[in-house]
Amino acid sequence: DIQMTQSPSSLSASVGDKVTITCRASRSIDTYLNWYQQKPGKAPKPLIYGSSSLQSGVPSRFSGSGSGTDFTLTISSLQPEDSATYYCQQSYTTLMYTFGQGTKLEIK
Amino acid sequence: EVQLVQSGAEVKKPGESLKISCKGSGYSFNLYWIGWVRQMPGRGLEWMGIIYTGDSDARYSPSFQGQVTISADKSINTAYLQWSSLKASDTAIYYCARLATGTFSYLDYWGQGALVTVSS
Repeated sequence: DIQMTQSPSSLSASVGDKVTITCRASRSIDTYLNWYQQKPGKAPKPLIYGSSSLQSGVPSRFSGSGSGTDFTLTISSLQPEDSATYYCQQSYTTLMYTFGQGTKLEIK
Repeated sequence: EVQLVQSGAEVKKPGESLKISCKGSGYSFNLYWIGWVRQMPGRGLEWMGIIYTGDSDARYSPSFQGQVTISADKSINTAYLQWSSLKASDTAIYYCARLATGTFSYLDYWGQGALVTVSS
């Protein structure tokens, strides 16, 4: 199994800040890495797929990068509505797509 | 508009059986895989397994193999997740989601989630 590890587990930042969340795979997954956002009481929604492709309708302040084992999700200018938990997911192993443990982002 | 609508909340006793559903609309249901994801109270997302709705080819995460059964009925655009004997530890929200395929696979549309509570 490929294990996905996110850091930090939680963070607090102010409106307008640049925020970076990292995700590390236990072995190389090329660029087969997706990011999701989940708000309390809601289903997750996709943000980024293929490490850096922005899902339709997602604000351009969200971006993703990385390849191999190390990946980042960046929010360029944090907005109040970005308060949520963020999950990475690998899609390298066919039909066996594991998630990271999540990063809870709070607004100061 | 693509939609996945899941069945409602369930309250069951340990040892009981359960089958929850996920009905797709707004797209060609039988041409896509549907995945299932568990979220235990206050916890993260866990990949359970996936089914190709066109031929009911199902694959399971090792953690869930033998614990649940994933099935589909393409004639009514519905996928299912079922248990034969529930445990208290099955208490969770269960999400279905459509797998977008192309160069990269990801879950592009999600159901609203179904809360399953197992308690004596």
